[in-house]
Amino acid sequence: GNSVTQMEGPVTLSEEAFLTINCTYTATGYPSLFWYVQYPGEGLQLLLKATKADDKGSNKGFEATYRKETTSFHLEKGSVQVSDSAVYFCALTMTGGFKTIFGAGTRLFVKA
Amino acid sequence: GAGVSQSPRYKVAKRGQDVALRCDPISGHVSLFWYQQALGQGPEFLTYFQNEAQLDKSGLPSDRFFAERPEGSVSTLKIQRTQQEDSAVYLCASSHRDYDSYNEQFFGPGTRLTVL
Repeated sequence: GNSVTQMEGPVTLSEEAFLTINCTYTATGYPSLFWYVQYPGEGLQLLLKATKADDKGSNKGFEATYRKETTSFHLEKGSVQVSDSAVYFCALTMTGGFKTIFGAGTRLFVKA
Repeated sequence: GAGVSQSPRYKVAKRGQDVALRCDPISGHVSLFWYQQALGQGPEFLTYFQNEAQLDKSGLPSDRFFAERPEGSVSTLKIQRTQQEDSAVYLCASSHRDYDSYNEQFFGPGTRLTVL
């Protein structure tokens, strides 16, 4: 079946460090890929998305590229801030479908 | 309100009790989703409504779980004869039109259910 695997956390970084959170997927067909973020005390919110191979999603300095050949959608940011501390979820939805499959989440701590 | 709201935010139930969890989606949103999120895990799909029609309930874990959206707006997730394994955060999300894979889902804050 379809699934999403993301790197386990927590990830602890100092402010201004480079961030990578790995995400790989298994899907029969061509999914849309998403990163959602959950800040402390808040609900999940969409961070970025990509709907086809080689698309790059970007928002708030974060970016991720849909790589069909490696079935990956790694999240990157060049310089993290304390305010980026949150839990990040990678997710997929199959084309034409509505059932979204989430990874287990990766908690990020950024220290000042 | 501006976002998806859920009530109650916290619910403690004794094993065997029935509970009802409410979701108020963003006004005018056609699609509504329920998810179950266990501690330390990602959300898992439970069910999907398009207006009042429940198009997919394949994620409901047992026949003790029931969801409805009778007028195509507010939705209720009911759990009968709660068990300890039902303890989780229940998330509701809505999307503004007939769902396709590109649409953003807007999530509520969740209801944390604890079954003793």
